[in-house]
Amino acid sequence: GAVVSQHPSWVICKSGTSVKIECRSLDFQATTMFWYRQFPKQSLMLMATSNEGSKATYEQGVEKDKFLINHASLTLSTLTVTSAHPEDSSFYICSARESSCCGREDNEQFFGPGTRLTVL
Amino acid sequence: GDSVTQMEGPVTLSEEAFLTINCTYTATGYPSLFWYVQYPGEGLQLLLKATKADDKGSNKGFEATYRKETTSFHLEKGSVQVSDSAVYFCALSVGETSGSRLTFGEGTQLTVNP
Repeated sequence: GAVVSQHPSWVICKSGTSVKIECRSLDFQATTMFWYRQFPKQSLMLMATSNEGSKATYEQGVEKDKFLINHASLTLSTLTVTSAHPEDSSFYICSARESSCCGREDNEQFFGPGTRLTVL
Repeated sequence: GDSVTQMEGPVTLSEEAFLTINCTYTATGYPSLFWYVQYPGEGLQLLLKATKADDKGSNKGFEATYRKETTSFHLEKGSVQVSDSAVYFCALSVGETSGSRLTFGEGTQLTVNP
């Protein structure tokens, strides 16, 4: 159990286009999902916290109009990189936290496998 | 602000060797500490955690002790296996669980050769 998937696993796009990345909790409901960005040989940087049914909370320095986050259901959150540019190329990782504690110790975050975005 | 510093990798060891990956932190509050492991092609998995000073987290032969006096949470394993090859991340949370906001270290790539 506690599986989080991301789609696509990798994507290549042209500069100026928009790319949508999906994050799904497959066997539990997640009121909260987190989106991270990871540069090569660097740590995961939290971009935003997404709560189902409400607006995402963005970290300082993250452009909310650039990185659109939607968390429309308890099992799905999407990150859309709008008007992508080469500097947006990175590894994007999501995680999900279960809605209730039942059956899960300490409301742990469960991570997806990540999405590699390359903008040409 | 909060930060986590890990020893630089990559680390390459022979099977059955002793492993230490250093991790130190700075935090304004009294954090919980975590080690995550990322196997190739998979998401991060919680390996172990400790929520207060002198706590020892352990799992799959790995151990780490929360040292408040040295602000450290070094990961150790007495005898590594090829299957331990992965990237290891040290992290902290100001809450008691990993469900709270996490701050990660840079990650350390471990390769274990037969």
